[in-house]
Amino acid sequence: AQTVTQSQPEMSVQEAETVTLSCTYDTSESDYYLFWYKQPPSRQMILVIRQEAYKQQNATENRFSVNFQKAAKSFSLKISDSQLGDAAMYFCAYRSGNSGTYKYIFGTGTRLKVLA
Amino acid sequence: DGGITQSPKYLFRKEGQNVTLSCEQNLNHDAMYWYRQDPGQGLRLIYYSQIVNDFQKGDIAEGYSVSREKKESFPLTVTSAQKNPTAFYLCASSPQRSYNSPLHFGNGTRLTVT
Repeated sequence: AQTVTQSQPEMSVQEAETVTLSCTYDTSESDYYLFWYKQPPSRQMILVIRQEAYKQQNATENRFSVNFQKAAKSFSLKISDSQLGDAAMYFCAYRSGNSGTYKYIFGTGTRLKVLA
Repeated sequence: DGGITQSPKYLFRKEGQNVTLSCEQNLNHDAMYWYRQDPGQGLRLIYYSQIVNDFQKGDIAEGYSVSREKKESFPLTVTSAQKNPTAFYLCASSPQRSYNSPLHFGNGTRLTVT
């Protein structure tokens, strides 16, 4: 069974600085998809970024980028120029690319604090 | 606008009572999911459904039941058999055939059982 591990329960970053949140996963599959979600205090889950495993290029969305290392099964999220609004819980998620598999598996989350 | 509606936002029940959480979507998504969120444990899958009248147990299905009579609706019943029902519950959906599609989430229901 696939698992997703986020080893940092909490991280802090100074406003305008850069922070990296780590995520590792365990799978025997070659085709899968990875996601980062943000959950602010409102508790609404917001998609931050996604990565297809077959793509070597790391995904980027404005200030958010990933470092996808397929061989190491690592999928870290880098937030540049951190803003107060980035303070939230961040969850890493995995979805199999196998036909007939519809489960999304989440990590335990990392709480990010942004210091003014 | 399309989206997922969960109601109510807060729910209070006495121990021993069954309670049903509502989830409705107008995104025309085939698949729907229920997750439970507890502090320090992330999101854990309770049940999911790929098509109408079909659903599968997730990792923590004991004490819960679901139905999928309509594509738009996927209610979750928390039964008295669930030992620790107090939690935050999230409903989500996704298009079945788009593997890279993210989950779309509702705003959640906070259930408190005393």
